[in-house]
Amino acid sequence: DIQMTQSPASLSASLGETVTIECRASEDIYSNLAWYQQKPGNSPQLLIYDANSLADGVPSRFSGSGSGTQYSLKINSLQSEDVASYFCQQYNNYPWTFGGGTKLELK
Amino acid sequence: EIQLQESGPGLVKPSQSLSLTCSVTGYTITSGYDWSWIRKFPGNKMEWMGYISNSGSTNYNPSLKIRISITRDTSKNQFFLQLNSVTTEDTATYYCARSYYDGYSPFDYWGQGVMVTVSS
Repeated sequence: DIQMTQSPASLSASLGETVTIECRASEDIYSNLAWYQQKPGNSPQLLIYDANSLADGVPSRFSGSGSGTQYSLKINSLQSEDVASYFCQQYNNYPWTFGGGTKLELK
Repeated sequence: EIQLQESGPGLVKPSQSLSLTCSVTGYTITSGYDWSWIRKFPGNKMEWMGYISNSGSTNYNPSLKIRISITRDTSKNQFFLQLNSVTTEDTATYYCARSYYDGYSPFDYWGQGVMVTVSS
């Protein structure tokens, strides 16, 4: 199985700040990577697919980058509604696997 | 609007079978997508369990292969999860979700999830 190592596990940031979350795959996943946002009590929502493509309706302050084994999610100008958990997922190889998640809170 | 909705018992006894239903509205499950079960454990680890394709074939996570079965009822536009011989380690929130059938696509729609506790 491909292991997805996500960091940090938790993050505290101020409104307006830029935050970055990292995801490292145990082998090359050829940009077959998605990022999801999950707010408490809600289901995960797709933010980014194919490492850097914005899903429909997602604000442009979210962006994804990376290749090979290293990927990142950046949130520019943090808003209060961005408080959530974020996790990455690879869909290059079965079984599809997820990162451990990052809990983002406001400072 | 596409919606997925999980249903099933919230409490299952150890050694018994866990059975869940995902009801899909706004899209026909025989058209072009794979339909997965995913679970999120306490502590936030997530695990893809398997899917049933639009054609009815299945693909399971090898970690579950001897215990899992995913089936469907196309007349009701529903698909199902059965997990046998559950233990307390199967306590989790279970989600159904869809991904494009090519095998290289993310989950674009998810259900709200159903919490299942395995306890005597």
